[in-house]
Amino acid sequence: SQKIEQNSEALNIQEGKTATLTCNYTNYSPAYLQWYRQDPGRGPVFLLLIRENEKEKRKERLKVTFDTTLKQSLFHITASQPADSATYLCALDMKGGSYIPTFGRGTSLIVHP
Amino acid sequence: EPEVTQTPSHQVTQMGQEVILRCVPISNHLYFYWYRQILGQKVEFLVSFYNNEISEKSEIFDDQFSVERPDGSNFTLKIRSTKLEDSAMYFCASSPENTDTQYFGPGTRLTVL
Repeated sequence: SQKIEQNSEALNIQEGKTATLTCNYTNYSPAYLQWYRQDPGRGPVFLLLIRENEKEKRKERLKVTFDTTLKQSLFHITASQPADSATYLCALDMKGGSYIPTFGRGTSLIVHP
Repeated sequence: EPEVTQTPSHQVTQMGQEVILRCVPISNHLYFYWYRQILGQKVEFLVSFYNNEISEKSEIFDDQFSVERPDGSNFTLKIRSTKLEDSAMYFCASSPENTDTQYFGPGTRLTVL
């Protein structure tokens, strides 16, 4: 069956370091992959989208890579700040041609001052 | 910056009662969505709506659920006879066209007693 896997354990890092979060998927070839940020009790906020024919995408301190051979995306936040503490969700179009994202469970990031 | 708004922020109801959750999508958006997130679980798609009709729905969206766009600004989700397992955060989202980027509202926390 199709699965999206994100590390369920929280990632704790020191301010100023680079945070790297992982999203793995199985039994599917998505046309795109998205990353969202979700704060407690709030809705997801779209951050970045990367398409199957792209290897890397950047936006300010954020960088996403997409390896369709490994079936994996890495999400990096450089020069992390305590304000970056949140849960980060990976989402894929699990139905071919659909614009409906299917979400992973997310990984919690905690940036310590 | 325009935002999706949702009311109420928290709804408490008795099992078997009907509830209506309300959303005001971003004004020039054409596609509307409802998602839910049970506490500690992933965000799950319920239904998408375009041109005054449902365009896609998940297996969660059974006959107990309905959606409506009663006027030019509101988008509602009705649960006819609530069950304990309907307790969750319900998120509305909208997008300007059938693209892969959706803008989420802050959510309504539904508690069924």
